[in-house]
Amino acid sequence: DAGVIQSPRHEVTEMGQEVTLRCKPISGHDYLFWYRQTMMRGLELLIYFNNNVPIDDSGMPEDRFSAKMPNASFSTLKIQPSEPRDSAVYFCASSPSTGQGAGYTFGSGTRLTVV
Amino acid sequence: SQQGEEDPQALSIQEGENATMNCSYKTSINNLQWYRQNSGRGLVHLILIRSNEREKHSGRLRVTLDTSKKSSSLLITASRAADTASYFCATDATGGFKTIFGAGTRLFVKA
Repeated sequence: DAGVIQSPRHEVTEMGQEVTLRCKPISGHDYLFWYRQTMMRGLELLIYFNNNVPIDDSGMPEDRFSAKMPNASFSTLKIQPSEPRDSAVYFCASSPSTGQGAGYTFGSGTRLTVV
Repeated sequence: SQQGEEDPQALSIQEGENATMNCSYKTSINNLQWYRQNSGRGLVHLILIRSNEREKHSGRLRVTLDTSKKSSSLLITASRAADTASYFCATDATGGFKTIFGAGTRLFVKA
């Protein structure tokens, strides 16, 4: 398995533009998570899905953020419009449904810079 | 707010020495996990300890859990330069599937 695949690896965009981050989880994993990492706030859970259904989006900072999981092999995190304070590394992670003890597999992340 | 808090924030040791990192958390948990993150990379799962376990080993890693004190420790024995990374504890609160990460300990192992 190639692991959790995120794209793009790096994204530089201008303030006000729409940004879409993509994630392909490991096949067979029923849980998918989006995290954001910054120096100031550390790792923050934004949203997670179970069997493609959003379960908890309480970590999504604002209405400018939205996430979808149209099928078991693909998820997107969209920011519209983007702002400089959205600059961070965004990680996608997946986990099997065999319980909370399985551990997460993280992607390599997307480093977003909004100028 | 973060559930877990690591201590120390940074640790510098010589190769061959042992490294101990601590994690404290606030609420009851199902399990506690430790992850490693190398600079510019994603997190890698190291080990998981369940709330009914007190100690667990994996290679050079030893994890302890004290639920009465709401704390855990990660011990890396005979450290290597390749162990240089940030280490995070993560907890799943009882009744939820929401894993919350601490701020991490930055470990630097000098060759």
